[in-house]
Amino acid sequence: GAVVSQHPSWVICKSGTSVKIECRSLDFQATTMFWYRQFPKQSLMLMATSNEGSKATYEQGVEKDKFLINHASLTLSTLTVTSAHPEDSSFYICSASPRTGVKKLFFGSGTQLSVL
Amino acid sequence: DAKTTQPTSMDCAEGRAANLPCNHSTISGNEYVYWYRQIHSQGPQYIIHGLKNNETNEMASLIITEDRKSSTLILPHATLRDTAVYYCIGGSGGSNYKLTFGKGTLLTVNP
Repeated sequence: GAVVSQHPSWVICKSGTSVKIECRSLDFQATTMFWYRQFPKQSLMLMATSNEGSKATYEQGVEKDKFLINHASLTLSTLTVTSAHPEDSSFYICSASPRTGVKKLFFGSGTQLSVL
Repeated sequence: DAKTTQPTSMDCAEGRAANLPCNHSTISGNEYVYWYRQIHSQGPQYIIHGLKNNETNEMASLIITEDRKSSTLILPHATLRDTAVYYCIGGSGGSNYKLTFGKGTLLTVNP
């Protein structure tokens, strides 16, 4: 099946620094990718929709200036958590769907962010 | 998104069939029923999806009622590795469609 690679798997950073998370579709092109966040023992919460070549669409309550999304190619989207604070510590997950064919999302393995 | 309702948790004995129910009474005619699962600390994994007809693949079977208001995911021979949170989601499919996850069902497969 299609593979979505997410990197890094985990990251620890100091408060106030920025962290970039990459999401790549390895064997298919994706015009749209999605970023989710998940807190312990909770479900996935959609943060934003990343569109190739255009601005991302953010869900209500998600700060676009804090969570910068770039979708520069059909196989790569990045999420940058700027000026990270401890409350940003969470499990971040990306997903993508092939541009053609199957009607389903493939998910990355997730990134555990811990902000000290 | 069609809102779905699932039991919070279920238990199943190893080797037995696991039957996970989902109610989706507000699903529209062109919305698919998707099932994903998430093993602890991993990204969700696609299981199966269907529109009207029952579906089967190497992982599971999906039984959709004729009125499409509910469905059942069947894992024919559950193993310990099937312990996960299972999500039933209604969605129109396609590359631009976002999936909204509910709370899902925590399936625990016991030895």
